[in-house]
Order: sequence, then structure tokens, then C-alpha cells
Amino acid sequence: QSVLTQPPSVSGAPGQRVTISCTGGSSNVGANYHVHWYQQLPGTAPKLLIFRDNNRPSGVPDRFSASKSGTSASLAITGLQAEDEADYYCQTYDNNLSGFVFGPGTKVTVL
Amino acid sequence: QVQLVQSGSELKRPGASVKVSCKPSPYSFTAFAVSWVRQAPGEGLEWMGWINTKSGDPTYAQGFSGRVVFSLDTPASTAYLQIDHLRPEDTGTYYCTRGRDCGHFSCHSDYWGQGTLVTVSS
Repeated sequence: QSVLTQPPSVSGAPGQRVTISCTGGSSNVGANYHVHWYQQLPGTAPKLLIFRDNNRPSGVPDRFSASKSGTSASLAITGLQAEDEADYYCQTYDNNLSGFVFGPGTKVTVL
Repeated sequence: QVQLVQSGSELKRPGASVKVSCKPSPYSFTAFAVSWVRQAPGEGLEWMGWINTKSGDPTYAQGFSGRVVFSLDTPASTAYLQIDHLRPEDTGTYYCTRGRDCGHFSCHSDYWGQGTLVTVSS
């Protein structure tokens, strides 16, 4: 049971915009710790998608963006493509755990 | 191109130990932390902790201290994850990652190993 909450699944048609929320509390996201996002394609290792709230590593398309406000963060995918079908995880630090934690993950399905 | 190459799959009996290796290249081994992440079959990611490759100091996540040990062979530029007294629930894929900002409450993994499947079964 993670201290972060993500919707189990979201879906959208190609070209649409989808968002994934990552909701925490005052001991993690609300404490203004950075949130990072990862994409895990089926059968592969995760890949860093967004770091420190809203920064894209080199090579990540600008279709991926993220934001944070209060106790929640969100990842947006615009112009959804078939290759975006994957699991997405948020990650941050939690004071109560004295360590880093991943959200439970969200499966994105392209209809 | 940065790579973290992990050792191969392991099948272990309950109560045994396993040691997974992780060899990053081509950067300086002590320039970045190594963190470890577990993924049980069909489940999400669990952060296990990280090791400071300069000092060798490990930090373990709650729930992973006691049976889990992170270690280094710095001359060989290799990091290790050892799990003792294995239980069936330890079955999963274990990833080593290159950790950034791990000492500054912003630890994130910019490169991942290919994963090592550890199966614990009698």
C-alpha cells in the first residue's frame, strides 16, 4: 500500500490528451519534495520520463509534461500515440518513511 | 551510452541467499549513486534504497533493512545486492539504477539495468 495514489488506468484515443494524477499528503508531495515520473513499456525496464517535478531528460518528447500543486502532481501526455501504451509511476520522498516511494502505477491504454 | 549490466536470473530455495551484481559503464563509478528497485511479478515498483558509491554508506528503505545488504567492489566498478534468508515473497525482478540527487531528498534514477529475476521456490 503506497502513500501515493494513482488511478489504476487511463485511456484515450490516438491524438488525445490524457493526464495521470499522483496524490500524496503533507509528508511527501505536500512537503514540496520533488516528484519524478517513469514510463515502463511492457517487458522492459522503467525509463525516466520527468525529473524534479517538470524536467524532461534529453530524448523525451515534449508531448510529456508534468506539474505539481499542493499535495498532488500530474503527468500529461498530449497527442497520444500507440507507443505510449505503458505503465507510468510517480516517485517522491516521504518524511514518515524517511525514504523514497513509488506510486502504485497507472496503466495507459491507447484505444 | 550509459549502461548498467546486471547478473543473470537466479532460482533459489527458501532460506538461501542471493547476490546480484550491477556493473555500470562507461562513466566514473564513484560519480553517481546506485539505487535498487524491486518489482514483484505483475506488481509495481518498490524502492529498496541506495548506496553512496564514494563512501560506501548504504540507506535502506523501511521493510528492506535486516535481510538486504548493498555493497561495492569499487576497483571492479561493481555494486551488489545481497538478500539473505530468502522467502517466496522475495520473488521478483530486481533493478539497479544510476541514482541522481540521492543525498538531497530528490533521488531519481536516470538509467536502469536490465533487471535480474530472482525466483524463490522449493
